[in-house]
Amino acid sequence: QVQLQESGPRLLKPSGTLSLTCAVSGDSISNNQWWSWVRQAPGRGLEWIGEIHHSGGTNYNPSLESRVTINVDKSKNHFSLNLSSVTSADTAVYYCARNARVTGTTVHDYWGQGTLVTVSS
Amino acid sequence: DVQITQSPPSLSVSVGDRVTITCRASQRISTYLNWYQQKPGKAPKLLIYAASSLQSGVPSRFSGSGSGTDFTLNISSLQPEDFATYYCQQSYTTPMYSFGQGTKLEIK
Repeated sequence: QVQLQESGPRLLKPSGTLSLTCAVSGDSISNNQWWSWVRQAPGRGLEWIGEIHHSGGTNYNPSLESRVTINVDKSKNHFSLNLSSVTSADTAVYYCARNARVTGTTVHDYWGQGTLVTVSS
Repeated sequence: DVQITQSPPSLSVSVGDRVTITCRASQRISTYLNWYQQKPGKAPKLLIYAASSLQSGVPSRFSGSGSGTDFTLNISSLQPEDFATYYCQQSYTTPMYSFGQGTKLEIK
């Protein structure tokens, strides 16, 4: 059973850097898959942040690209998210998810439970 | 960018009702459209992929249809556990996977 678990600081000050890690179990990050971060502001919809391949290749949401870095650590079977210069608008539940290709389309088939990160002074 | 417009934002329904939720894409996206269910405090769960394929383990009362720009999610007979928020997602403009705004099913 594939499981993903987010971890990291839950409270940040404005202008700081958000750093989260997603630990993967039941699957190897080195399999030919992409791994994503998605966030959800309180009471709002879902926003895809970006994705990483085990080779280190990345793709980011253009609206966040200037502030986002996603890294992978195959030895620890986890990947991470860094979001710089945060403001209150970055307060959200952050999810990590596994991408899967099925019949030519990409889906997020496994998700972490999510972690609420609050940006406040 | 492909814009996804989902409607309605909310729906007041009763157990046993048939429910239809729609998503419209700003350009043709073939069948690159997925549906997720999200319950309060939980992560989204994949229901339907490629517009009409049912994810393993999802009850058959859920179905999806459409291609091009117009898509629908149907729940044939709403069950108590189906009260949730539903999101569509396009995967045509990989890797920019944009979501619809969500439809919240509320108890009438």
